[in-house]
Amino acid sequence: KNQVEQSPQSLIILEGKNCTLQCNYTVSPFSNLRWYKQDTGRGPVSLTIMTFSENTKSNGRYTATLDADTKQSSLHITASQLSDSASYICVVSALGGNYQLIWGAGTKLIIKP
Amino acid sequence: SAVISQKPSRDICQRGTSLTIQCQVDSQVTMMFWYRQQPGQSLTLIATANQGSEATYESGFVIDKFPISRPNLTFSTLTVSNMSPEDSSIYLCSAPGFYGTEAFFGQGTRLTVV
Repeated sequence: KNQVEQSPQSLIILEGKNCTLQCNYTVSPFSNLRWYKQDTGRGPVSLTIMTFSENTKSNGRYTATLDADTKQSSLHITASQLSDSASYICVVSALGGNYQLIWGAGTKLIIKP
Repeated sequence: SAVISQKPSRDICQRGTSLTIQCQVDSQVTMMFWYRQQPGQSLTLIATANQGSEATYESGFVIDKFPISRPNLTFSTLTVSNMSPEDSSIYLCSAPGFYGTEAFFGQGTRLTVV
């Protein structure tokens, strides 16, 4: 069964600190993995998309890694800001999946001043 | 990238009534997706809407409850029918980007049924 699991479920850190969010998946055949940021009450916004051959991709202070062998991904946030408070969702797309996406439950990140 | 305008952004409705949510995309897209996000949870796909054909519904969702229209390649509507408090959720529409590798989302509709 195609699944995406994220950890931790929630995380509280102080402003300026770094953090790493984890994503494990069992989606097969794999097409790509995305990380989305979702502010409360808003639609998700894409941070990164990685295909099978990509190990790391950065978007400003966000750096995503992908290990296709172990089927793990991480999202590292550097020098956190209050505006980083949001849910971060790992989403995996399967090949031939008709654009359909398998969604993780998300990690709720709270940045405290 | 695609820009998706979704409305209304929020509504409070009486039980037993229906609400139609609209999504307008600024470019032509073959497929559009409708999601539901219940409080504190991730997104759940309701249905896939193709232009010119019936929408394809996921397990647990039926056309009578969530009728969908897709009159052209830039527009779709989702109706939440005969609402109950359990339908209180955020509803989101989505469209794939070029090559289908990206997914763009509307701003979401926060529905509260009282």
